[in-house]
Amino acid sequence: DQQVKQNSPSLSVQEGRISILNCDYTNSMFDYFLWYKKYPAEGPTFLISISSIKDKNEDGRFTVFLNKSAKHLSLHIVPSQPGDSAVYFCAASDNSGNEKLTFGTGTRLTIIP
Amino acid sequence: GAVVSQHPSRVICKSGTSVKIECRSLDFQATTMFWYRQFPKKSLMLMATSNEGSKATYEQGVEKDKFLINHASLTLSTLTVTSAHPEDSSFYICSATERLAGRETQYFGPGTRLLVL
Repeated sequence: DQQVKQNSPSLSVQEGRISILNCDYTNSMFDYFLWYKKYPAEGPTFLISISSIKDKNEDGRFTVFLNKSAKHLSLHIVPSQPGDSAVYFCAASDNSGNEKLTFGTGTRLTIIP
Repeated sequence: GAVVSQHPSRVICKSGTSVKIECRSLDFQATTMFWYRQFPKKSLMLMATSNEGSKATYEQGVEKDKFLINHASLTLSTLTVTSAHPEDSSFYICSATERLAGRETQYFGPGTRLLVL
């Protein structure tokens, strides 16, 4: 049972345009969401997070939006840069205290120069 | 952000040998660390939760006698793959949690590529 889903395995975006990566979840107990960026043969790098008490969090070029009623979140990157080409994972955790993350399957973002 | 290191970054070993992978949080203390495994073109699979001073908690389907975890201090956890076989070849990644803005955020190590011949 995939509790965190990233339905787009890949996405191509022109440099300078906006990249929008989507993530859906099914577990209503999730209350904290994170986005990670991963290059091949490296560990994931933390990008940005959002708590369920918010619907938007912004950090530089990265903005995460959360729609709790739809159980949907998205990561916006603007403007997109070639160095943004990577696999992006969304992850979620609940408030049970065990700190475990449930990951989506990832979306490979390619920025076209 | 917080820094997590792993050593070694790459290891090649013969079938039947044991391999130890270290995970360190460099600038913060982590009472909890996690070990993941990633198969090619797949998501991260949680193997176990490593708790400082107590036994690790393994996910369903992960052999605890095969993958020994020791969390000896607040900055070090080790994963030992015992009697490694070719099917254990994979990319192993650890993470450590730091409390950030009231919630724990996991920071990941750079990963260890294990190849068992």
